[in-house]
Amino acid sequence: EVQLVESGGGLVQPGGSLRLSCAASGFTVSSNYMSWVRQAPGKGLEWVSVIYSGGSTYYGDSVKGRFSISRDNSKNTLFLQMNSLRTDDTAVYYCARESSTGDYFDYWGQGTLVTVSS
Amino acid sequence: EIVLTQSPGTLSLSPGEGATLSCRASQSVSSSYLAWYQQKPGQAPRLLIYGASSRATGIPDRFSGSGSGTDFTLTISRLEPEDFAVYYCQQYGNSPRTFGQGTKVESK
Repeated sequence: EVQLVESGGGLVQPGGSLRLSCAASGFTVSSNYMSWVRQAPGKGLEWVSVIYSGGSTYYGDSVKGRFSISRDNSKNTLFLQMNSLRTDDTAVYYCARESSTGDYFDYWGQGTLVTVSS
Repeated sequence: EIVLTQSPGTLSLSPGEGATLSCRASQSVSSSYLAWYQQKPGQAPRLLIYGASSRATGIPDRFSGSGSGTDFTLTISRLEPEDFAVYYCQQYGNSPRTFGQGTKVESK
């Protein structure tokens, strides 16, 4: 059974950093495209970043230069390093697996809340 | 980037009624690379439809998707109590992946 479990969220001050983790089971992270998608309170979904199976990484304009996606193949875990956090980064962050047949999201984690506030 | 506009913002219906949700793209979506998701309060989104019209595994056949180019539709033939939720469309034919703002289907 495919499972994704995020952790690492919490309260951080503007300008601070946080590292999110997403532990996967039931499949191999390094063999799939893996994304982070976020949802601000009461708002819609926003794609944040993707890491391809080959290791290439891409970012949305709103986080480019501040966030970094990576993975640990030995732990089958996905990460999102978030630096220079702003109040508008406050959101629930979901990790999601992209389908092998297209860049849509077939499995999602339960999400972890990041609150950026002084 | 492709902007997806969903309408209506809110749909107020009764169980047993049909629902038609629209997703319009600012430019043509390549190869009908459009997906639909359902999200209930406090839960992660769930994949319903991909490739504009293919149902994901385990999705009941009362959910159907159609459309191409810039106009796409999600149809729920007969609403069940568990179908009241927010629905999002997402395009994956062009980078970056983008989502619509959502349509809330609420119980009248």
